[in-house]
Amino acid sequence: QSVLTQPPSASGTPGQRVTISCSGGSSNIGSNTVSWYRQLPGTAPKLLIYNFNQRPSGVPDRFSGSKSGTSASLAINGLQSEDEAAYYCAEWSDSLNGYVFGAGTMVTVL
Amino acid sequence: QVQLQESGPGLVKPSETLSLTCTVSGGSISSSYWSWIRQPPGRGLEWIGLVSESGFKKYNPSLRSRVVISVETSKNQFSLNLSSVTAADTAVYYCARDEGAGYFDNWGQGTLVTVSS
Repeated sequence: QSVLTQPPSASGTPGQRVTISCSGGSSNIGSNTVSWYRQLPGTAPKLLIYNFNQRPSGVPDRFSGSKSGTSASLAINGLQSEDEAAYYCAEWSDSLNGYVFGAGTMVTVL
Repeated sequence: QVQLQESGPGLVKPSETLSLTCTVSGGSISSSYWSWIRQPPGRGLEWIGLVSESGFKKYNPSLRSRVVISVETSKNQFSLNLSSVTAADTAVYYCARDEGAGYFDNWGQGTLVTVSS
């Protein structure tokens, strides 16, 4: 039921930069804030980015978010082995009158 | 530091009602919005719905006919009832807090509910 589109996978070697896109339908991303979550295997998702580019306290600054038109992006600089996880974007959808998540992107550290 | 903890049966029979409770500790349930989110095994996240202490509610349109989310302020808890369950409702169910700013800043650890006879 995802109305936010994410690539299913992304990968990089330690130290590299990885970016993940999140694109929406006509009524998404542009009118409401996007948040990003990281889910390590077997654990609950954790807030990584909110309001497109804000980091909660405790989240390293090598994680950054941005918005361009009707898309949002998450960048991981200086990729580390512990970044191997699933990453989800989310937004409030005015058309569905509820929250929607992207299908998730699995990041692999090579 | 607000903490959320889901509780409820881990096994529900088909056609029956799935009932879960989320207990909020370290903060009051009287502020914020409180959501249920689920994740079928090996799949992505699906928002189920939210409730506020004032009674404001929103549900995922795809589940609206089967879902009721309610809040019990005196116990600092909110609950999920999902009726007429099938195997497709087998998932890890999370409760989460949304302070009305469009994101979930606190999550419970999740509880696996299996629908099977």
